[in-house]
Amino acid sequence: GDSVTQMEGPVTLSEEAFLTINCTYTATGYPSLFWYVQYPGEGLQLLLKATKADDKGSNKGFEATYRKETTSFHLEKGSVQVSDSAVYFCALSDLLSNDMRFGAGTRLTVKP
Amino acid sequence: GAGVSQTPSNKVTEKGKYVELRCDPISGHTALYWYRQSLGQGPEFLIYFQGTGAADDSGLPNDRFFAVRPEGSVSTLKIQRTERGDSAVYLCASSSKTGGAPNEQFFGPGTRLTVL
Repeated sequence: GDSVTQMEGPVTLSEEAFLTINCTYTATGYPSLFWYVQYPGEGLQLLLKATKADDKGSNKGFEATYRKETTSFHLEKGSVQVSDSAVYFCALSDLLSNDMRFGAGTRLTVKP
Repeated sequence: GAGVSQTPSNKVTEKGKYVELRCDPISGHTALYWYRQSLGQGPEFLIYFQGTGAADDSGLPNDRFFAVRPEGSVSTLKIQRTERGDSAVYLCASSSKTGGAPNEQFFGPGTRLTVL
């Protein structure tokens, strides 16, 4: 079945460092891809999404490009801030399914 | 506007007891989802409602788990004869999906269930 694999954490960076969190997927159909973020003490929030190949989702300085050839949707940010400390989840949802499949999550800690 | 709300925020129960977890979706959202998130894992799908009907309950782990949405709005997840392995955060999400392309799911804060 459809699944998502994302890089294991935790990831610890200094402020203004470059961030990459890898995410690859397996799907038989044509999924939409998502990054959700969970800040401490809060619920899951959509960070960005892409609905077809070569689409780039972006929000709050984060970007991810839907790469069908490598079945990837890596999350990047050029300069992280302390406020970006959170758990990040890669997810997919297929046209033929009714659920969202999530990766295990990657905990990011940004130190001043 | 109000987001998805879930009550209670925390529930501690004893093994073998029955529990009900409630979800109030965003007003007007026809689709409602339940997920379970174990420590250190991503959310796992349990059940999906479109309106009042359970359109997909393939994620329910066994027949101790049941969910209803009688009026197409509020949903209740019911767990009978709870086991320690049921301890997790139960998440509810809603969306305006009416079929076709998946839309953004809006998540509630979750109910943390602890079975002693």
